[in-house]
Amino acid sequence: QQKVQQSPESLIVPEGGMASLNCTSSDRNVDYFWWYRQHSGKSPKMLMSIFSNGEKEEGRFTVHLNKASLHTSLHIRDSQPSDSALYLCAASPSSGSWQLIFGSGTQLTVMP
Amino acid sequence: EAAVTQSPRNKVAVTGGKVTLSCNQTNNHNNMYWYRQDTGHGLRLIHYSYGAGSTEKGDIPDGYKASRPSQENFSLILELATPSQTSVYFCASGDATGAGNTLYFGEGSRLIVV
Repeated sequence: QQKVQQSPESLIVPEGGMASLNCTSSDRNVDYFWWYRQHSGKSPKMLMSIFSNGEKEEGRFTVHLNKASLHTSLHIRDSQPSDSALYLCAASPSSGSWQLIFGSGTQLTVMP
Repeated sequence: EAAVTQSPRNKVAVTGGKVTLSCNQTNNHNNMYWYRQDTGHGLRLIHYSYGAGSTEKGDIPDGYKASRPSQENFSLILELATPSQTSVYFCASGDATGAGNTLYFGEGSRLIVV
């Protein structure tokens, strides 16, 4: 079983809509979470990171983290066709090891 | 912009042959990583390194070796390639600090083992 689980596997939203993606770690040693975005045929690029309980907003993107449940979510408002991509969640322990473990991703499609 | 370059970008290898995937970073990052990406599996960690001379096993190290001869270079070696190792391989470097470890990825190396 993967240590980092993402849902849903795929998501279709209309242009201008809200996309909500979820990620949970089964490893209680993790402290840091990242969201990476990977467009088709390209390499992953870091989108947002969150290390503390609560919410972080950057433009149209908002990330939430609940450390007690090891759950993070990414919300994209006013979704654009250019947001269509594979979204990967990654988790890492706070110290001692800099392994980043990735989930299998959510494929987001924004329909014009 | 952080720079990680991989070579070769595409490779066809025969079963039982040796394959070396190379990665070079100009970011002066201590940490480097090799992942493979297959449909439905996201990115799976093969080997990683904390600096020159060090290599650590990730989640799926079987059938792979790694070498970190310098700060800039990190290689992934398949001594006896098998068709199950057909995949896209990504190298990354990480700027680990007290506040986390953002990874910067290369463009990927597509390997087909026939």
